[in-house]
Amino acid sequence: DSGVTQTPKHLITATGQRVTLRCSPRSGDLSVYWYQQSLDQGLQFLIQYYNGEERAKGNILERFSAQQFPDLHSELNLSSLELGDSALYFCASSGRLSTDTQYFGPGTRLTVL
Amino acid sequence: GDSVTQMEGPVTLSEEAFLTINCTYTATGYPSLFWYVQYPGEGLQLLLKATKADDKGSNKGFEATYRKETTSFHLEKGSVQVSDSAVYFCAPPVSNDYKLSFGAGTTVTVRA
Repeated sequence: DSGVTQTPKHLITATGQRVTLRCSPRSGDLSVYWYQQSLDQGLQFLIQYYNGEERAKGNILERFSAQQFPDLHSELNLSSLELGDSALYFCASSGRLSTDTQYFGPGTRLTVL
Repeated sequence: GDSVTQMEGPVTLSEEAFLTINCTYTATGYPSLFWYVQYPGEGLQLLLKATKADDKGSNKGFEATYRKETTSFHLEKGSVQVSDSAVYFCAPPVSNDYKLSFGAGTTVTVRA
């Protein structure tokens, strides 16, 4: 158990819909990262927050957005969903330093029908 | 910018075989380097790390040495088990802008 929790575990929805994925970091970790893992793209970095502020942006689509709240939990919002958005979405957390280990949650499996 | 090149898979081995997965990186300076592992149906977890040049990380029988001369961090295990079947990711150095992507990883299957 990494100490990072993600909900829900599975999500099935239709094209055009909007969903919210939730992540609670390990106690004490200020950084939260979001990743998308699909069979054809591998594990792609989406976005990172540090203590409520956006720190880095990766290959995140404009239809996707995220935020980190004062209690440090984070939400990833995916809108106007397409079939290609079906993937595993992982959240990870780490400490203050860029060299700190990232601890990954169990992931949310999103299926868009 | 900083990046990593990892050996592509899949790799299929018999139990007790020797495993090596190559990983080379380009980076400014000598950043910490990591190997992560993803077992079936799970998220990634840290396998081992090395925080400076010439360090050796080790865990669960796996080893990797941070070699600055060859800018490499190859993962090795002398005798693999079926339970080592997983996807292995060499994590790229965290660049100054913190952007990083793990890529596809290397899928390892160990057969009894």
